Amino acid sequence: AQTVTQSQPEMSVQEAETVTLSCTYDTSESDYYLFWYKQPPSRQMILVIRQEAYKQQNATENRFSVNFQKAAKSFSLKISDSQLGDAAMYFCASRGGSNYKLTFGKGTLLTVNP
Amino acid sequence: DGGITQSPKYLFRKEGQNVTLSCEQNLNHDAMYWYRQDPGQGLRLIYYSQIVNDFQKGDIAEGYSVSREKKESFPLTVTSAQKNPTAFYLCASSIGWGNSPLHFGNGTRLTVT
Repeated sequence: AQTVTQSQPEMSVQEAETVTLSCTYDTSESDYYLFWYKQPPSRQMILVIRQEAYKQQNATENRFSVNFQKAAKSFSLKISDSQLGDAAMYFCASRGGSNYKLTFGKGTLLTVNP
Repeated sequence: DGGITQSPKYLFRKEGQNVTLSCEQNLNHDAMYWYRQDPGQGLRLIYYSQIVNDFQKGDIAEGYSVSREKKESFPLTVTSAQKNPTAFYLCASSIGWGNSPLHFGNGTRLTVT
């Protein structure tokens, strides 16, 4: 079974600054995958970034990067040069290696201040 | 363009009535999912289907039913047995498992009074 915990219900950041959203997970699987999704006010879920647990290198997608600490079961998301369009609810999610089921955390609401 | 279509966007029903939410995808994905989103609860899995004519219960399946007769379609019925049906419902699909991401529809907001 997978559990995902996002300990920050809300965060705020100034435009152009950097912010880090926290996520911890628990799993009994040796092989698993981690994801960050963004949900803007339109409520459309958008994939931000994903990480395979067997890869030591942290995933990066443009201004978005992760800090994957496998031993600590931590998977934080760093947003650099924050933009107004980054304002959204962010969800961390995990999936066991051969499973279809994707388990989500409760989300962090990010506000970007101009 | 390929994508997932959920209809309608808003749905209103009286308590005690069953209601069916539509989900259609043209991404040729094998797997499809239904999630429920409530404020402060994140997304919780209701049902998922790995392949046509097969589906599994998720974490909160009670009061819901699904069918998967066609690859493209995965309708969700909210029955009168569901105690708190008012919520935002999201349908998703994926090519497979593992690192295959979910692609989501735009959601249906169901209000039951």
